[in-house]
Amino acid sequence: DIQMTQSPSSLSASVGDRVTITCRASRTISTYVNWYQQKPGKAPKLLIYAASSLQSGVSSRFGGSGSGTEFTLTISSLQPEDFAIYYCQQSYSTPLTFGGGTKVEIK
Amino acid sequence: QVQLQESGPGLVKPSETLSLICTVSGGSIGEYYWSWIRQPPGKGLEWIGYVYYTESTNYNPSLKSRVTASVDTPKNQFSLKMTSVTAADTAVYYCARWNRRAVGGIDYWGQGTLVTVSS
Repeated sequence: DIQMTQSPSSLSASVGDRVTITCRASRTISTYVNWYQQKPGKAPKLLIYAASSLQSGVSSRFGGSGSGTEFTLTISSLQPEDFAIYYCQQSYSTPLTFGGGTKVEIK
Repeated sequence: QVQLQESGPGLVKPSETLSLICTVSGGSIGEYYWSWIRQPPGKGLEWIGYVYYTESTNYNPSLKSRVTASVDTPKNQFSLKMTSVTAADTAVYYCARWNRRAVGGIDYWGQGTLVTVSS
């Protein structure tokens, strides 16, 4: 199985801050990484697919980058509705696997 | 707009079989990988497996011996059965669409259903 390791596991930030979350794969996976946002009591929501493509309807303040084993999700200017848990996920091979999540909290 | 809705018992006894159905509306079953994903309370996401519209399946090796997924194309439904459940199987179970070809990500999710394993 491909292990996905996210860092940090949590962070505190203020509205307007630039936030960066990192995900590392246990082996090279090209750009087969997706990012999700999950709010309490809700299903995850796809934000970024194929490492850097913005899912339809998602705000352009979300961006993704990376290839190989290192990937990044960036929120350019944190908004109140962005406080949530973020997960990376690899779709390079089955079993599909997710990172452990990064909780973004209000400072 | 595609919508997915899970249905099934919220309480299952230990050693029994968990059965869930996912009904897809607003789109067809065809050419997508219909997945099951679970999330224990307060924990992360675990992919259980998928069934393709051709009825081919792929399961997480950690659960493969206990899981069966199937699809009913005329009804626009797919289902999950998990045998010999224990308390460790208590989780919110999501059905979801893995749009492997066009997007690569899981683009539609059900709202999730909490399944508790307890006597």
